[in-house]
Amino acid sequence: SQKIEQNSEALNIQEGKTATLTCNYTNYSPAYLQWYRQDPGRGPVFLLLIRENEKEKRKERLKVTFDTTLKQSLFHITASQPADSATYLCALDMRAGTASKLTFGTGTRLQVTL
Amino acid sequence: DTAVSQTPKYLVTQMGNDKSIKCEQNLGHDTMYWYKQDSKKFLKIMFSYNNKELIINETVPNRFSPKSPDKAHLNLHINSLELGDSAVYFCASSNNWGGGSLNEQFFGPGTRLTVL
Repeated sequence: SQKIEQNSEALNIQEGKTATLTCNYTNYSPAYLQWYRQDPGRGPVFLLLIRENEKEKRKERLKVTFDTTLKQSLFHITASQPADSATYLCALDMRAGTASKLTFGTGTRLQVTL
Repeated sequence: DTAVSQTPKYLVTQMGNDKSIKCEQNLGHDTMYWYKQDSKKFLKIMFSYNNKELIINETVPNRFSPKSPDKAHLNLHINSLELGDSAVYFCASSNNWGGGSLNEQFFGPGTRLTVL
């Protein structure tokens, strides 16, 4: 079965720096890969989706890359702010009939300090 | 104007009891999901329904039974609760598989279930 690993349980960086989070998976490559943000006591919130044939996707200060050869996605937050502190989840997105079946990674807890 | 809502937010109950969690979405989506997030924060799909039809049914004990009265509602009934059922349960909804941002899932606020 698919195994998904995200780098380190916690990542601490200084405000203004770029945070880079890693998502590695085994076995087959998904059609899409999604990234979500989860704050304590809340449900995950969608951030970005990247297709298997896309190398890079950007949204404001966020950038996602997807390398199906390395079986890896990188998630970058540039000019990080304390408000970016949260847990970030990657999810492999496979079609299951009419549904989108997400298999989530373990998450990386990002802490941005002043 | 909450997109995906769940009730209750907290549920504390004794082992052996039966309980239900309700979920409603007002986004007009055809597909709804139930996820379980354990104490280590690992989020795992349990079920998915599309327009009242069961689409995804992961390896979940048959004490868990989802019910979808209509496409805007997906409830989760749990029989004979066990200690290991303690977790946060999230409901989510999305458009049908169509690729791209259409696959984005909208999550509810979660229901924290504690079995004593």
